[in-house]
This record gives sequence, structure tokens and C-alpha cells, in this order.
Amino acid sequence: KAGVTQTPRYLIKTRGQQVTLSCSPISGHRSVSWYQQTPGQGLQFLFEYFSETQRNKGNFPGRFSGRQFSNSRSEMNVSTLELGDSALYLCASSEARGDFNEKLFFGSGTQLSVL
Amino acid sequence: KNQVEQSPQSLIILEGKNCTLQCNYTVSPFSNLRWYKQDTGRGPVSLTIMTFSENTKSNGRYTATLDADTKQSSLHITASQLSDSASYICVVSAGGGNKLTFGTGTQLKVEL
Repeated sequence: KAGVTQTPRYLIKTRGQQVTLSCSPISGHRSVSWYQQTPGQGLQFLFEYFSETQRNKGNFPGRFSGRQFSNSRSEMNVSTLELGDSALYLCASSEARGDFNEKLFFGSGTQLSVL
Repeated sequence: KNQVEQSPQSLIILEGKNCTLQCNYTVSPFSNLRWYKQDTGRGPVSLTIMTFSENTKSNGRYTATLDADTKQSSLHITASQLSDSASYICVVSAGGGNKLTFGTGTQLKVEL
């Protein structure tokens, strides 16, 4: 099986622009979650989608949004970019069997730089 | 506020030696504790997942322990290899789902 695929791998934007990141989960996985990783804050949970619905949400401003399509692929959007949004954005997928102890599989991330 | 603290922040050991990484957490309600390995430029890879009732879990040369009473966990790496050089991240899940609280990681470097 192919792993979790994130595109693009690298992205450079300027302040005020918006950006859309894409995540294709492992085939058969129904849950996709998004995380922001910065050197200072480490990994932080953004949100989780299951069956096209947001199931959980972290403590990020409304500029960060996401969605999930019927094929479980997910996109994350950040509007009005700020310098502090520069980070590695990771997505992870899981089978969502209803078992809260199931394993998460991460993609390699999208490195976003805001200038 | 849910928090996960890891120590040490960084560690250098010689190949073949053992090491132990520490994790303390204040997360409620506790669902499970996970250890991940993250190589530079890659996403984290799951090593172990432990629930409240589990005290220890192994994955090859990696052994994790959990003391739910003191809210502490450790990851022991046996007979280290150069490929063990990575960041090791302790993650705690509260109340189910994938809303996880992450530690800032221990950066391990294994040298010849």
C-alpha cells in the first residue's frame, strides 16, 4: 500500500496570501488529521476529519480551515498568511475503526515558508 | 492545560550503548500514550502505543514503560545503532480521537 502522500513538499508564500495543502491518506483509511510543527512549539494538533466532517479541533485561529472529500482525501487552507505560519504541516491518517488506540500514519509533510 | 514534558532535550551516545528517554504528562482524561520516532525531514513513525492498563510494551530494541499513577513514561533503546539518530516524541491522547498533545521531543544522536 502507498503511504500518506502530501503535496506540495515545499511552498513559499508572502504575507497576506492564502495557501492550500493536500493530503491523500492510505487506501482504506477514513480519518485524516493535520498538525503544525515548528522548532519552538513542536507538534500541535490542528484538526481531524472523518467522513467529510470535522471531528476534533485544536486551538488555532479561524484562518486555518480544512475539509475532507468523499474519497477521504483532505485539504487544509490557511488564509491571510502571517510570518508565524512558517512551519512543517503534517497530515496523518488512520483506519478509524472506533478504537482510540489505533496507529496514526504520517506523511512527510509540506514545508511552508512565509516571507 | 494538557502538557507533555520530555527530558533530556538532546542526547549523544556511542553506538552499541543503551539509553533511556523520559516523558512526564499532565493530560486529562488520559486515553493512551505513544512514542514516535521522527527522522530529519520525515513524518513521525509510531513505535509504541500504551493504554492506562499497560505497564510496558516493546517493539524490537525499543521498550516503553508507563506509570499511570505518577504520569510518567520512559523509552529505553537497547544496543543503539547509527540509524537510531532521530527525534523521539512522546504523545498523549486525551479523551479519544486524534486530538493529541505532543512533547517537544528528545534529539538523539548515535556516534561511532
